[in-house]
Amino acid sequence: DTGVSQDPRHKITKRGQNVTFRCDPISEHNRLYWYRQTLGQGPEFLTYFQNEAQLEKSRLLSDRFSAERPKGSFSTLEIQRTEQGDSAMYLCASSPPSLPIRQYFGPGTRLLVL
Amino acid sequence: AQTVTQSQPEMSVQEAETVTLSCTYDTSESNYYLFWYKQPPSRQMILVIRQEAYKQQNATENRFSVNFQKAAKSFSLKISDSQLGDTAMYFCAFMNPNTGTASKLTFGTGTRLQVTL
Repeated sequence: DTGVSQDPRHKITKRGQNVTFRCDPISEHNRLYWYRQTLGQGPEFLTYFQNEAQLEKSRLLSDRFSAERPKGSFSTLEIQRTEQGDSAMYLCASSPPSLPIRQYFGPGTRLLVL
Repeated sequence: AQTVTQSQPEMSVQEAETVTLSCTYDTSESNYYLFWYKQPPSRQMILVIRQEAYKQQNATENRFSVNFQKAAKSFSLKISDSQLGDTAMYFCAFMNPNTGTASKLTFGTGTRLQVTL
């Protein structure tokens, strides 16, 4: 099995620009999660998909954030009008239907907003 | 809401020695899962060990074992025969599977472990 992949691995942007990240889960994993990890902290839950349905969003996910998972495969996380406080590592994880509690993490996308 | 506390920001251990990382949590649930994840420098997070709250027996995975004290809401990780490759951030995490939808993880702030020669 190939693992969870994320693209890009690093992104530098200027404040006010829009950015989009992609996550490709492990094949046949129906659950997909996005987390955000700031420096010196543990990851914090952002949102969750089961197949193509977005079933839960954290209050951390402001109106500037949107996530999609068309066709229940890859997912995208878009941040509009980025702010310096958005600088963080964005982690994606997926889990299989046979063991939904077992989350496999991707390498993350590190975002720096200047 | 559940909270996870890791009170040791950094720890150091010599190769081949044993080290214990601490974790406490707060929940009103009776059924839940606890995890230890390892995040090596610039590499992705991987699962080290998992404990189901309804199981009294402490989980073990090779050199890794836990001391799960449900009444005390404590979940420590013991690493035996430490190796240089164990150098990483270690995160304790909690999952409530009873929310009906997301099995999201709640993480602590992590403990940075350095294994030295």
